[in-house]
Amino acid sequence: DGGITQSPKYLFRKEGQNVTLSCEQNLNHDAMYWYRQDPGQGLRLIYYSQIVNDFQKGDIAEGYSVSREKKESFPLTVTSAQKNPTAFYLCASSIPGLNTEAFFGQGTRLTVV
Amino acid sequence: AQKVTQAQTEISVVEKEDVTLDCVYETRDTTYYLFWYKQPPSGELVFLIRRNSFDEQNEISGRYSWNFQKSTSSFNFTITASQVVDSAVYFCALSETGYNKLIFGAGTRLAVHP
Repeated sequence: DGGITQSPKYLFRKEGQNVTLSCEQNLNHDAMYWYRQDPGQGLRLIYYSQIVNDFQKGDIAEGYSVSREKKESFPLTVTSAQKNPTAFYLCASSIPGLNTEAFFGQGTRLTVV
Repeated sequence: AQKVTQAQTEISVVEKEDVTLDCVYETRDTTYYLFWYKQPPSGELVFLIRRNSFDEQNEISGRYSWNFQKSTSSFNFTITASQVVDSAVYFCALSETGYNKLIFGAGTRLAVHP
C-alpha cells in the first residue's frame, strides 16, 4: 500500500539530547513536509522540501534540522537547542506546485523527560 | 498575511444531529486553495476536500457538504445526520497558488455522542 510511515510512534528524550524522527514515503512525491502540533493549536510548518537535496525553513525551524538525501526519506532531528520539544510531529508529502492535497503519516509523539 | 480562524474549539452533539464547523480565512492573494482535513484519534490527517478560489460552487459528498463564500471569506463544513465515527478534530487550511505549504486553523474538536 502506498503511504507515509513515521517511526517511532512514541519517543522519549532526555533534556539535552538530540533525537531523530523518521519519515518514509512510497507515493513517489517530490515534496515533503514536517509539521508540529501542540494541544489546542493547529499544525505549524517546521521544514519542507520540494526536491531531493533541497529544503527550506518553515515558520518554526529553530532547534530543528532536516536532510533530504533520498526522495523517499525526510528525517527530522530535534536538537537540544529546541527549548520546548514535547509535541506531536506529523510528516506529509505531496506533488509540488499544484496545490494538491498533502498525505500525512500517523505522527510521532515526542516527550522530553 | 495569511490566517485561518476556526472559532469553535469544541462541539458536542448527539448522533443524527446536523453540525456545522466554521472556517474564516484571510489572504491577500486572488488565487488560493482551501482544504478540510479530519484527524481521528489515531493521529494522521485525512484529506476531505480541496477548493480553489475561483470555484464557489458548494459541494456535497454523502453526509458532508461545504459552503464556500468569498464575500465573507468563509469555507464552512456541515455534517448531516452525524454519527459517532465522525468524532475527530477537523482542520481547515489555506495555501497560496504554486506552494503546497498549508496554513492551518487551530482545529475544531467534534464529539458525537450516541
